[in-house]
Amino acid sequence: AQKVTQAQTEISVVEKEDVTLDCVYETRDTTYYLFWYKQPPSGELVFLIRRNSFDEQNEISGRYSWNFQKSTSSFNFTITASQVVDSAVYFCALSEALTQGGSEKLVFGKGTKLTVNP
Amino acid sequence: EAQVTQNPRYLITVTGKKLTVTCSQNMNHEYMSWYRQDPGLGLRQIYYSMNVEVTDKGDVPEGYKVSRKEKRNFPLILESPSPNQTSLYFCASSWQQGHSPLHFGNGTRLTVT
Repeated sequence: AQKVTQAQTEISVVEKEDVTLDCVYETRDTTYYLFWYKQPPSGELVFLIRRNSFDEQNEISGRYSWNFQKSTSSFNFTITASQVVDSAVYFCALSEALTQGGSEKLVFGKGTKLTVNP
Repeated sequence: EAQVTQNPRYLITVTGKKLTVTCSQNMNHEYMSWYRQDPGLGLRQIYYSMNVEVTDKGDVPEGYKVSRKEKRNFPLILESPSPNQTSLYFCASSWQQGHSPLHFGNGTRLTVT
């Protein structure tokens, strides 16, 4: 069965520090999708990025970057020069492809709470 | 504006009093889902719907009902709420289950006393 582990429950950094949020996943499928969502203190859930299993290119979007490594089943998220507005709970999620016997169900990790202090 | 609208945002009720949390999306999405969020447990799926009149259980369906009579609406019904259903609930929609990003509602914080 698919599983997502976010081992870091809480992280606290000082503004301008770089921080990496870890995500390790388990799946028996060769085709799957990985996601990151952000939940700021206001509570809403916001989609950040999606990656499919065939695309191991790293992604950079401003101060955010994602490192996808199939060899270690990891999809880590790095915030460069963190800001107070980055304070949020971040969720990693995984879904498998129905066509290859997967469930297509989206499974979330338990989240990492990031606090960026001024 | 494309959005998922949940109501109410906050709800306090008593054990056993039936309640409904509404969810509506204006993006013509086929897939809709309900999650509950509890401290230390992350987001767990309650029910989902692949299309109109098609619903199925998620990981924690006990004590909940749903219906999907129209594409845009996916209400969550608690026939006889209990204190262990005190939680933060999210409705979400997407084009397809699994590989499409989810659009979430703003959440409903439910307290059952």
